[in-house]
Amino acid sequence: QSALTQPASVSGSPGQSITISCTGTNSDVGGYNYVSWYQQHPGKAPKLMIYEVSNRPSGVSNRFSGSKSGNTASLTISGLQAEDEADYYCSSYTRTSTVVFGGGTKLTVL
Amino acid sequence: EVQLVESGGGLVQPGGSLRLSCAASGFTFSNYWMSWVRQAPGKGLEWVANIKQDGSQKYYVDSVRGRFTISRDNTKNSLYMQMNSLRVEDTAVYHCARIGGSGSYFDYWGQGILVTVSS
Repeated sequence: QSALTQPASVSGSPGQSITISCTGTNSDVGGYNYVSWYQQHPGKAPKLMIYEVSNRPSGVSNRFSGSKSGNTASLTISGLQAEDEADYYCSSYTRTSTVVFGGGTKLTVL
Repeated sequence: EVQLVESGGGLVQPGGSLRLSCAASGFTFSNYWMSWVRQAPGKGLEWVANIKQDGSQKYYVDSVRGRFTISRDNTKNSLYMQMNSLRVEDTAVYHCARIGGSGSYFDYWGQGILVTVSS
C-alpha cells in the first residue's frame, strides 16, 4: 500500500494551463480505470474533481480534465484562476480492493 | 442535500480507545459503500477503511488492521469507527466519505473530526 507519487508543488499564472502527474504501479493506477482527483482548500473537506480517470462530476468546471497513460495519471487545469489555488490529491483503487492516495500537490497561482 | 457529520473525536492517551460516528442524510444510506479517510496535521490524505452496503465486506489500510473496526447501522443512517490501541501516529482529522458509483471514488465528504493521541 505505497502512496502514489505526485509532485510536491506546481505553479502557473492566471490563464495558463498546468498538469499534475500521479504515478503508481500495475497494481493500482495501471491496472484499473479507477483514478480520481480531489481538490482541498485549507481547512476544508476534499472535493471530488475527476473520477474514473476522466469523468467530471456535475458542477465541476470543464477547465479540469483527467487522463491516464500506463501507470501515470494526469490532471490538467486550463485557464488557471486564483480560486484554483489549493492542494490536489489523486487516488486509485488497487488490486487488493483497497484505495491509495498520492502525497498531494500544492498548486500556486502566481 | 447530502450531508455527512462526524462526531466522537477528542484527546485520548496512547493505548486508549475512541469511537467515531458519522450521521448521514440526504441520500439512501443503505445503497452506498462508505469509508473513513484521515489526514494527519499538515500531511496528505490517507484512506483508512471501506464497508459494503450491508456490512458484509470490510477493507482496511495495513496500519490499522486489527486495531480499528468499521461498522454501520443502516436503520440509523450511521457509520462508525471503533479505534482501539491508539498510537500517536493515529492523530489526524478523520473524514467520513460516501463512495460513489463504481466503488472507486469518494463523491461526498464530511468536514472531519479531530482525534489527538497524546500523553
